[in-house]
Amino acid sequence: QQQVKQSPQSLIVQKGGISIINCAYENTAFDYFPWYQQFPGKGPALLIAIRPDVSEKKEGRFTISFNKSAKQFSLHIMDSQPGDSATYFCAASGNNNDMRFGAGTRLTVKP
Amino acid sequence: NAGVTQTPKFQVLKTGQSMTLQCAQDMNHEYMSWYRQDPGMGLRLIHYSVGAGITDQGEVPNGYNVSRSTTEDFPLRLLSAAPSQTSVYFCASSYKNTIYFGEGSWLTVV
Repeated sequence: QQQVKQSPQSLIVQKGGISIINCAYENTAFDYFPWYQQFPGKGPALLIAIRPDVSEKKEGRFTISFNKSAKQFSLHIMDSQPGDSATYFCAASGNNNDMRFGAGTRLTVKP
Repeated sequence: NAGVTQTPKFQVLKTGQSMTLQCAQDMNHEYMSWYRQDPGMGLRLIHYSVGAGITDQGEVPNGYNVSRSTTEDFPLRLLSAAPSQTSVYFCASSYKNTIYFGEGSWLTVV
């Protein structure tokens, strides 16, 4: 039973476009929502994270939007670049350090 | 600045064989964990440790053992390898909710 559901499974975007990846969670005890970026042959690395006391967090071209009532959050990549091509994982955890990951989205940005 | 180091990078095992994936971190983190990554399944927690001498099971612990004798090391043992354990394994350490992953170990069981 997947506690964090992520979509789409794969995404192709033109250079300069906006990439949007969505996640939904079930456990209302989750209070930390990170996104991890993984390049081929490498381990995932933290990209950006949000807590439910804010509805949006922006770092450069990357923005997390958070909707607590709908139990959904999303990653927006503005002005997508070929170097952004990677697999993105959303995740959620509560105060017990038990991080649950989504299934991942493979993003391809075409030049 | 090594971070989390895993060995080996690649391994092929025969069904029934046992092996140990090594993991070491140099960040003095108390929390360490092992994940497996399978297509369409994301990252699933196998075992974790909140400090030396303390380990616990995650989502998918069957067929795996761990121990934590020191803060730095957290080896993962496959007791009797099965084809279903073909996967990419990531060791990680954590601090304040941030997970630092190793580069992965690709394991094939034939």
